Amino acid sequence: GAVVSQHPSRVICKSGTSVKIECRSLDFQATTMFWYRQFPKKSLMLMATSNEGSKATYEQGVEKDKFLINHASLTLSTLTVTSAHPEDSSFYICSAREDAGTRDSMEQFFGPGTRLTVL
Amino acid sequence: KNQVEQSPQSLIILEGKNCTLQCNYTVSPFSNLRWYKQDTGRGPVSLTIMTFSENTKSNGRYTATLDADTKQSSLHITASQLSDSASYICVVRGYYTGGFKTIFGAGTRLFVKA
Repeated sequence: GAVVSQHPSRVICKSGTSVKIECRSLDFQATTMFWYRQFPKKSLMLMATSNEGSKATYEQGVEKDKFLINHASLTLSTLTVTSAHPEDSSFYICSAREDAGTRDSMEQFFGPGTRLTVL
Repeated sequence: KNQVEQSPQSLIILEGKNCTLQCNYTVSPFSNLRWYKQDTGRGPVSLTIMTFSENTKSNGRYTATLDADTKQSSLHITASQLSDSASYICVVRGYYTGGFKTIFGAGTRLFVKA
């Protein structure tokens, strides 16, 4: 299957600082990328959906000014957690999908995740 | 109420035994259903994908079934191995006004013991 990478895999930062997480599709063009957050022993929670070249669509309750998403190319999306707070500590996972026109692509490929710890 | 319900919440089995995980959904109209395996601290990895016209799909020791009439799916794991210990997530994609939406189940945590 297709490969999606994330960087960094782990990051520790101080409260008030900003952290950027990168998500790359390595062998396909990702028209759509998704960012998820996962708490221990819980399922993935969709934060936002981004399409290349346009603004991300955020899920209800997700602060777009706090979680900045940029999908500048077909292989790269970034999530920036601004003014990080200890409650932002979580496992962040991205996924990518290659859409073919109006046909709904079935497969969504996930990255390995990024563990964020805010002190 | 979650539109994708998985059971059991967790399961402990002995190595070599078989097990079956359940997924019931209310998402409708339905596009496809996927089962993922997620190891602790890792991203989910796709096991099977089925559309409404498919009843069964196998991937090695993993076999997924789908009954679109009753809106139920199962994931059967044969001859379990220690490496099967993970969370198994059922994901349903459905049609909504204006497009599609993906709904995640809460997952079943499987523990395989020697």
